[in-house]
Amino acid sequence: DTEVTQTPKHLVMGMTNKKSLKCEQHMGHRAMYWYKQKAKKPPELMFVYSYEKLSINESVPSRFSPECPNSSLLNLHLHALQPEDSALYLCASTGLAFNEQFFGPGTRLTVL
Amino acid sequence: SQQGEEDPQALSIQEGENATMNCSYKTSINNLQWYRQNSGRGLVHLILIRSNEREKHSGRLRVTLDTSKKSSSLLITASRAADTASYFCATDGGSNYKLTFGKGTLLTVNP
Repeated sequence: DTEVTQTPKHLVMGMTNKKSLKCEQHMGHRAMYWYKQKAKKPPELMFVYSYEKLSINESVPSRFSPECPNSSLLNLHLHALQPEDSALYLCASTGLAFNEQFFGPGTRLTVL
Repeated sequence: SQQGEEDPQALSIQEGENATMNCSYKTSINNLQWYRQNSGRGLVHLILIRSNEREKHSGRLRVTLDTSKKSSSLLITASRAADTASYFCATDGGSNYKLTFGKGTLLTVNP
């Protein structure tokens, strides 16, 4: 299994809602990532988990809360988001440092 | 400043022509990677070139790396309409696991 899956594909939420994005991989990769991508822009790194520990947080606002329950799963908990947080949220994983990253198809998030 | 800046920002060609995209970066790297993204979807890894390599081929793709100029190019030969996508270079900046993506080139291949 060489794919990264993400659910849901689309999410519309109000600014007072709490929701979660999910990401799963079964490639045995030990590093997993969350990226945010606005239209016509490159992906921007948000968080990196390495061996289930948060190793990089790119100064992301606390309304985004990552969680890595085990080596195959990565969640992104969302609370009190702003309309400007609307974007494509991409999950990725990699087996080794300095190697290719495998991306999921993304969750298209709209905050009303 | 952002690692990995591609040019051109947009490129439109006819099917069968070659497409060349360039990427410049600012800091030392262990490797440079190229990814493709179809509209609104996830990124797909195309090719990785290590800092001690100068050229690499994969099918219709040819990547060059010039570490003295901190630049790379991606050549797609005999382009097809299905190659229409955004192409991003990504560098590790010498940092474990972390990639920084360039601004991307939007390639349109007209049938």
